[in-house]
Amino acid sequence: QKEVEQDPGPLSVPEGAIVSLNCTYSNSAFQYFMWYRQYSRKGPELLMYTYSSGNKEDGRFTAQVDKSSKYISLFIRDSQPSDSATYLCALGSGGSNYKLTFGKGTLLTVNP
Amino acid sequence: DTGVSQDPRHKITKRGQNVTFRCDPISEHNRLYWYRQTLGQGPEFLTYFQNEAQLEKSRLLSDRFSAERPKGSFSTLEIQRTEQGDSAMYLCASSLGQPRAPLHFGNGTRLTVT
Repeated sequence: QKEVEQDPGPLSVPEGAIVSLNCTYSNSAFQYFMWYRQYSRKGPELLMYTYSSGNKEDGRFTAQVDKSSKYISLFIRDSQPSDSATYLCALGSGGSNYKLTFGKGTLLTVNP
Repeated sequence: DTGVSQDPRHKITKRGQNVTFRCDPISEHNRLYWYRQTLGQGPEFLTYFQNEAQLEKSRLLSDRFSAERPKGSFSTLEIQRTEQGDSAMYLCASSLGQPRAPLHFGNGTRLTVT
């Protein structure tokens, strides 16, 4: 079993839909949770980061962490064609997040 | 642009040749990381520097790979005697030195070994 599992998709939704992206993990040492967005042939771009269970909202994006279930989610409201990208969850452990463990990424397409 | 800068963006080389990539981190960041990403996979950790000190190397970093960060500023990643399996995107990231500081990535160097 891999440390971080993420459904690679692809996921295709119509413009305006609510998108739910998820990762599960097996190592309870993970304490930091980040979501990155990666456009084709570009580097990952930090979207959100959180360190505790619960919800964190930033504009159209909401990150949700459930440490008891080892499950993290990213919700995108009112999705736009410009949201079409690969979304990567990244988890860090210990006293420093210097070594992030990434999921495979989910390829999202938002159709106009 | 004050983000992480990587050069070159794309490198094509023949098997057996040596290649070197450069990364310029965000100026106030004292941590620098190298990751490798292959098609359809997430980035995998290779190595990490705090200032000029290389503090950890992944088992993915074979003896053919060497990374340096002289004077704690820019970093170079060299691959000797390249193999086709080295074909990947090599990503550099940097962060502040405080705990839990998020990583900021550059746009990577795409290596193709023919």
